[in-house]
Amino acid sequence: GDSVTQMEGPVTLSEEAFLTINCTYTATGYPSLFWYVQYPGEGLQLLLKATKADDKGSNKGFEATYRKETTSFHLEKGSVQVSDSAVYFCALAPRGGYQKVTFGIGTKLQVIP
Amino acid sequence: DTAVSQTPKYLVTQMGNDKSIKCEQNLGHDTMYWYKQDSKKFLKIMFSYNNKELIINETVPNRFSPKSPDKAHLNLHINSLELGDSAVYFCASSQSSQGGAYEQYFGPGTRLTVT
Repeated sequence: GDSVTQMEGPVTLSEEAFLTINCTYTATGYPSLFWYVQYPGEGLQLLLKATKADDKGSNKGFEATYRKETTSFHLEKGSVQVSDSAVYFCALAPRGGYQKVTFGIGTKLQVIP
Repeated sequence: DTAVSQTPKYLVTQMGNDKSIKCEQNLGHDTMYWYKQDSKKFLKIMFSYNNKELIINETVPNRFSPKSPDKAHLNLHINSLELGDSAVYFCASSQSSQGGAYEQYFGPGTRLTVT
């Protein structure tokens, strides 16, 4: 079945540091890939997505590129802020039919001033 | 103008009780979901409905019974609550499409504590 492997946290960074959260996946066909973010006490919200190979999703300074050859979708940000402290989930959804989204375990990011 | 709302936000109850959580979305979506998030933030799909029809039914104890009276509402009833049911339950919705990528919109969660 489909699976998402995400680096375990927590990840602690100083403000303005570079962020990378690794995500690799296993799926049949060509899934769509997502990063969701969960701020403390809230539900998940979509951060960015990519629907085909070599697509780059971007939002709020975060980027991730759909790499089919390495089955990866790593999340990056050039300069993190304290307000980026949250839990980040990588996820995939198969094409066609009714989508059952597979989520990674979530990576907690803590940014310190 | 809340997109996906859940009630209650907090629920504290004793073992053996029966409780319900309600979810409503005003996005016009045709698919709704229930997820369980444990204390380590692991997110697990429980159920999904498309136009009131159950389409995803994961390995969940039959003490959990979802009900979708219409495509804007999805409720979750839990019988004979156990300590292990303590978690945050999230409702989500999306618009189904063939072959397309679409995001899920999550509610704020219901924190269930069973004592």
